[in-house]
Amino acid sequence: AQSVTQPDIHITVSEGASLELRCNYSYGATPYLFWYVQSPGQGLQLLLKYFSGDTLVQGIKGFEAEFKRSQSSFNLRKPSVHWSDAAEYFCAVGANGGSQGNLIFGKGTKLSVKP
Amino acid sequence: ETGVTQTPRHLVMGMTNKKSLKCEQHLGHNAMYWYKQSAKKPLELMFVYNFKEQTENNSVPSRFSPECPNSSHLFLHLHTLQPEDSALYLCASSFEGGQTYEQYFGPGTRLTVT
Repeated sequence: AQSVTQPDIHITVSEGASLELRCNYSYGATPYLFWYVQSPGQGLQLLLKYFSGDTLVQGIKGFEAEFKRSQSSFNLRKPSVHWSDAAEYFCAVGANGGSQGNLIFGKGTKLSVKP
Repeated sequence: ETGVTQTPRHLVMGMTNKKSLKCEQHLGHNAMYWYKQSAKKPLELMFVYNFKEQTENNSVPSRFSPECPNSSHLFLHLHTLQPEDSALYLCASSFEGGQTYEQYFGPGTRLTVT
């Protein structure tokens, strides 16, 4: 069965510092991978996605993620964090050719940014 | 309106009330979803509609009743809810064409059951 693990529940970084949020997935074939961000009281906004091709994908708001098949990981990175990046981040995996609606979400990582 | 909209944004209801949540997508998608998001729990997929047909129901109690009159509108009818049903209810939509595509989410309805 597919699963997603985000090992860090809460991370605090200083403004201007670099950021890496971890995501590990379990899936038998090449997965479709997504990162979403959720600000308090809001819905989820898609940051980036990986379907195939270049394993380093660029997203909105200066985020990028790298798909590493050997490590079953899809970590999210940003070189310099801004205070407005404080939010909760969700990694999700979808089946390649699987049934519709089959997006499995991790439990999320809450990011705090200190001045 | 653009994207996915949800109304109301906040709802407080008693356990004997009947209310409905509404979702509308303006993206030309053909699949819509209801999710429940509770504190400290992962997103729970409740219902999936593809081309207006319900294709998934993840063992959701019958006090939640979905309705999808067309591919742009989705409702969640609520009756005799329990306090543990208090949560953020998120609607999402996507294009489904035989594989999984990204889902676009609405802002959610914050439901409090008293």
